[in-house]
Amino acid sequence: SYELTQPPSVSVSPGQTASITCSGDKLGDKYASWYQQKPGQSPVLVIYQDAKRPSGIPERFSGSNSGNTATLTISGTQAMDEADYYCQAWDSSTSVVFGGGTKLTVL
Amino acid sequence: QVRLVESGGGVVQPGRSLRLSCAASEFTFSFYTLHWVRQAPGKGLEWVAVISSDGRNRYYADSVKGRFTISRDNSKNTLFLQMNSLRAEDAAVYYCARETVEAIPYFDYWGQGTLVTVSS
Repeated sequence: SYELTQPPSVSVSPGQTASITCSGDKLGDKYASWYQQKPGQSPVLVIYQDAKRPSGIPERFSGSNSGNTATLTISGTQAMDEADYYCQAWDSSTSVVFGGGTKLTVL
Repeated sequence: QVRLVESGGGVVQPGRSLRLSCAASEFTFSFYTLHWVRQAPGKGLEWVAVISSDGRNRYYADSVKGRFTISRDNSKNTLFLQMNSLRAEDAAVYYCARETVEAIPYFDYWGQGTLVTVSS
């Protein structure tokens, strides 16, 4: 079965750029989405179709996907961005895969 | 404002059954494919099952295949998950999520989740 691998944790200083990676075999041939989840809350879509931002998501969130790696980048990271982040792709037309999640800490 | 509201969670003994519901509102329910996604305590997201907009096509994660059944009632704007032969490892918050109708889909709305605890 298809797997997506994320680093368990990433730390960043306020105002700096955070990058969270998601690796999978030929992931660049698929489309990746990213979800933010804060403690006790439901996931929220922050990036879809590799690099698109839903309305209401700040411009500091961006995404890319090439080769075997998709990347979520948060520029000018703020304390409110501290959360768990999950990448997601489609294994087939019917099967969904999530990465293991990355805890972003804003120090 | 799209709403997805799960219910039906609770404490259940191993081997018993539970039925979850997800009530939808503020969108045309019958147009959308819907999913169940779960999250064990302190763990990541795990996809569980999907059902097409007309209910004809259903697919499951290997971990629940043969034990869980996803269904929907488009006349009542409600999604269901029948969970049989529950195991300790099924304990989780269960979310329903809406899949967009775009050619390259993603999950644009999630419910608040309902907690299932499996314990004797």
